[in-house]
Amino acid sequence: GQQLNQSPQSMFIQEGEDVSMNCTSSSIFNTWLWYKQDPGEGPVLLIALYKAGELTSNGRLTAQFGITRKDSFLNISASIPSDVGIYFCAGQNYGGSQGNLIFGKGTKLSVKP
Amino acid sequence: NAGVTQTPKFQVLKTGQSMTLQCAQDMNHEYMSWYRQDPGMGLRLIHYSVGAGITDQGEVPNGYNVSRSTTEDFPLRLLSAAPSQTSVYFCASSPSLGALGYTFGSGTRLTVV
Repeated sequence: GQQLNQSPQSMFIQEGEDVSMNCTSSSIFNTWLWYKQDPGEGPVLLIALYKAGELTSNGRLTAQFGITRKDSFLNISASIPSDVGIYFCAGQNYGGSQGNLIFGKGTKLSVKP
Repeated sequence: NAGVTQTPKFQVLKTGQSMTLQCAQDMNHEYMSWYRQDPGMGLRLIHYSVGAGITDQGEVPNGYNVSRSTTEDFPLRLLSAAPSQTSVYFCASSPSLGALGYTFGSGTRLTVV
């Protein structure tokens, strides 16, 4: 089946620093999504990308849908302590069971005040 | 406005015991799914349902059973618990398969000893 490679696995950064993480796939997706999971909670959708090449921002978050449709990245600018958590990329296609989300393994973000 | 409700939040089982993880949503969503989250493995799809009376297998269905008799409820049954099923289980729902913005429950942490 399709697999997503998400990197890095974990990051330890200083408050105020920018963060970058990415996701690659061996096959194409029609939609890329980025989720954040706070400790003890379920994932929450941050950004959804619908078109190859699309660049979308949500506050301090910026995400891009790669032109080949096989990759996506997420940037967080000027990190703050509440950015701590696990960030997941997810890919989605259309039609039948391919509408299910396929998740990357996550990037665990720790922020030092 | 409860969203997706999972019970119980924590559970310890002995090997060989059976149990049902409950999931209920109040958003009239047609699509519901179960994922398991293991350290370093991301979220993997166990079973999903596109409507009442319809279920299908995901990536890791072995050892689990589901049914969907109503739109609101999608219970996950462990037939004979094994230590390999120790995990955090998440239920998610969305208006339809392929729709964006899955809503996740807050998870059930299951330990099998």
